[in-house]
Amino acid sequence: NAGVTQTPKFQVLKTGQSMTLQCAQDMNHEYMSWYRQDPGMGLRLIHYSVGAGITDQGEVPNGYNVSRSTTEDFPLRLLSAAPSQTSVYFCASSYGGTGREKLFFGSGTQLSVL
Amino acid sequence: GQQVMQIPQYQHVQEGEDFTTYCNSSTTLSNIQWYKQRPGGHPVFLIQLVKSGEVKKQKRLTFQFGEAKKNSSLHITATQTTDVGTYFCAGNQAGTALIFGKGTTLSVSS
Repeated sequence: NAGVTQTPKFQVLKTGQSMTLQCAQDMNHEYMSWYRQDPGMGLRLIHYSVGAGITDQGEVPNGYNVSRSTTEDFPLRLLSAAPSQTSVYFCASSYGGTGREKLFFGSGTQLSVL
Repeated sequence: GQQVMQIPQYQHVQEGEDFTTYCNSSTTLSNIQWYKQRPGGHPVFLIQLVKSGEVKKQKRLTFQFGEAKKNSSLHITATQTTDVGTYFCAGNQAGTALIFGKGTTLSVSS
């Protein structure tokens, strides 16, 4: 039972490049979400999903796209990376729907955009 | 929109001293959760509070949820070096996603 797996752990991009951060969970969780963590800013919600085929925006969605084609996977796409997207990204999942159950976090992806 | 404010941002204590972090919301919360993040790690769930006035204990940690369900606190008795990290509260209104506070970073010197 791996829990929540994020790849890659580290990534360096140039401004304007695109990439996808991968997130997979093997706990059959309905709810999945993406947060970014910046110094002094806490964890800010980017996008979330309450089930396959359903996604919604969080607090800071601009510049990011998501999709949820399966229960297990919830990739986060940066279409044109900007230096302001330099951050640590965490994927999190929970068994129940929105905010009702505890979140299980992945180990994070540290992204630098030059 | 919903906001969750957390104070203080930083706290340094001597080992053995007590520590408290406070969480306040502008709206009534459906539930509040607390997480701990060790340096270089990811947030790990500590506890969830659901009922008005609820108090829960985990060894040296005491969690409270306010009567109006708009505030919460985490109190650590007799801190140890293993308590070092950032403590986050997270809350939501019914049917909305969890919103995190900015966290309180605790450092402990022996």
